[in-house]
Amino acid sequence: GAVVSQHPSWVICKSGTSVKIECRSLDFQATTMFWYRQFPKQSLMLMATSNEGSKATYEQGVEKDKFLINHASLTLSTLTVTSAHPEDSSFYICSAPTLGQGEALHFGNGTRLTVT
Amino acid sequence: AQSVTQPDIHITVSEGASLELRCNYSYGATPYLFWYVQSPGQGLQLLLKYFSGDTLVQGIKGFEAEFKRSQSSFNLRKPSVHWSDAAEYFCAAGGQAGTALIFGKGTTLSVSS
Repeated sequence: GAVVSQHPSWVICKSGTSVKIECRSLDFQATTMFWYRQFPKQSLMLMATSNEGSKATYEQGVEKDKFLINHASLTLSTLTVTSAHPEDSSFYICSAPTLGQGEALHFGNGTRLTVT
Repeated sequence: AQSVTQPDIHITVSEGASLELRCNYSYGATPYLFWYVQSPGQGLQLLLKYFSGDTLVQGIKGFEAEFKRSQSSFNLRKPSVHWSDAAEYFCAAGGQAGTALIFGKGTTLSVSS
């Protein structure tokens, strides 16, 4: 149980275009989802908290207009990288928490974004 | 400030040898503590977690971790490492239920034959 599906697993796009990444909780509902970014050989940095039915909360230094987050349902959050630039190339990972006895943060398999 | 420190960037152990990965945290209160493993290009898999109670927690794949409040540590151990254990290991801490986690920088484990 508690599977988080992330799509696509990798994407290559041209500079200036936008890319949408989907994160789905397959067998549980998540009112909150978290988006992380991971640079090569580095740790995961929290970008934003996605809240179902309301605006996302962004971490300091993360451009909300560049990284658009939408949490339209209890099982789906999307991250859109707008006007992508090569410096946006990274590994993006979403996660969703389960509460109660099985409490943990469950992660998708990540999306490798390469902007050319 | 809240932080998680993994002092060892890279560790190499021989197959069959024991393993200990270190993790220290700095938090206002006793946090929820986690260990995750990541294979190249993949997401994170939860190995084990500590919320309260018994300070020695068992996880999947034969891993265990011990919470030591006096040392603000949550070290991960395995008595006998297998080649398939080679991966990146992350220690993480969080506050109340359902909140985001703070991650350490990770420790890369290599297993030699």
